Amino acid sequence: DAKTTQPPSMDCAEGRAANLPCNHSTISGNEYVYWYRQIHSQGPQYIIHGLKNNETNEMASLIITEDRKSSTLILPHATLRDTAVYYCIVRVVTQGGSEKLVFGKGTKLTVNP
Amino acid sequence: NAGVTQTPKFRILKIGQSMTLQCTQDMNHNYMYWYRQDPGMGLKLIYYSVGAGITDKGEVPNGYNVSRSTTEDFPLRLELAAPSQTSVYFCASRFRNEQFFGPGTRLTVL
Repeated sequence: DAKTTQPPSMDCAEGRAANLPCNHSTISGNEYVYWYRQIHSQGPQYIIHGLKNNETNEMASLIITEDRKSSTLILPHATLRDTAVYYCIVRVVTQGGSEKLVFGKGTKLTVNP
Repeated sequence: NAGVTQTPKFRILKIGQSMTLQCTQDMNHNYMYWYRQDPGMGLKLIYYSVGAGITDKGEVPNGYNVSRSTTEDFPLRLELAAPSQTSVYFCASRFRNEQFFGPGTRLTVL
């Protein structure tokens, strides 16, 4: 399974953009990059996913490099409620057709007032 | 919709005891998952199901069993609790590209 590497922690000022990097150098051509976050001890929450094009939704933007070996999650205007652990995940599809999300330790993002 | 619900929220077990962690979803999703999360770590997949009557092992299935008799319910069974099973357990269901997680069950085995 493709492995992801993320910095263990980052800080961001409230109202500024938060840019969270992720390396996934062993990703295969048909594997998607997913981002989830976990606020305090709650269940993880889906943020965004992409294959090779940049993606944007109401929560965030995902920038994937042309060689697909790394990506960056961008929270355009971070708020205190964005303080969470952010997981960058390479999704694996099993032979049975289900997906397997392999979670690493993630990046602890702290948004400061 | 209540989404994914899990019971109990907390439980303390003695070594060798057994218990069932309940998971229910009201979104009619076919895919369901059980994860465990140890302190400071990411989630690890225990078992998953692609529909009623079909289950398969994930990364860390030893010491656990599951069943899926209905679309809504996906219980996780611990037969002989061990201290290594102390963890937070999350259940999830999936629709298209998004997994929806429950609030978790915090289990301590002493």
